[in-house]
Amino acid sequence: QQQVKQSPQSLIVQKGGISIINCAYENTAFDYFPWYQQFPGKGPALLIAIRPDVSEKKEGRFTISFNKSAKQFSLHIMDSQPGDSATYFCAASMRDGNNRLAFGKGNQVVVIP
Amino acid sequence: DAGITQSPRHKVTETGTPVTLRCHQTENHRYMYWYRQDPGHGLRLIHYSYGVKDTDKGEVSDGYSVSRSKTEDFLLTLESATSSQTSVYFCAISEGNTEAFFGQGTRLTVV
Repeated sequence: QQQVKQSPQSLIVQKGGISIINCAYENTAFDYFPWYQQFPGKGPALLIAIRPDVSEKKEGRFTISFNKSAKQFSLHIMDSQPGDSATYFCAASMRDGNNRLAFGKGNQVVVIP
Repeated sequence: DAGITQSPRHKVTETGTPVTLRCHQTENHRYMYWYRQDPGHGLRLIHYSYGVKDTDKGEVSDGYSVSRSKTEDFLLTLESATSSQTSVYFCAISEGNTEAFFGQGTRLTVV
């Protein structure tokens, strides 16, 4: 059973536009929500992460919005650039310290020049 | 990049043969993980380790075993490879409920 559900599966956006990827989870014990970015032939790399004590976190053009009551979080990529074309994974883990990440299925974002 | 090295990077093997993938870290992180990545499934946890000789199963552990005899090395073994184990395998390390760093991956093809 997928613990973290991610949508949409793919996204095409014009350069300068906003990319939005949504994730939903069921386990209320999750308390760490990272987004990973993966380029072809590479391993995933942490992009930005949030904990449930805040509703939003922004780093440069990347923002996570977190809705604890709805058990949803989303990644917004502002002013999307061709270099942002990659696969994005949302994930979640619990405070038991083992940091076992449950991943969404991934979203391929293509930014058209 | 975090100090994680996976070997081999690519491997083709025949059904029924044993295969061992190696993950080596130079960060002295306590936790190590093996994930597999398949189209339409994202990344799924196979096994993980929370210390030397301390390992546990993930969500897709059937057909896999692991060993960790030193902090820096985490081995993933397919005792008898099957075509369903054709995948890209990623090793990751972390210090707990924080950022996990991933290796470059091993592409395994079972024919």
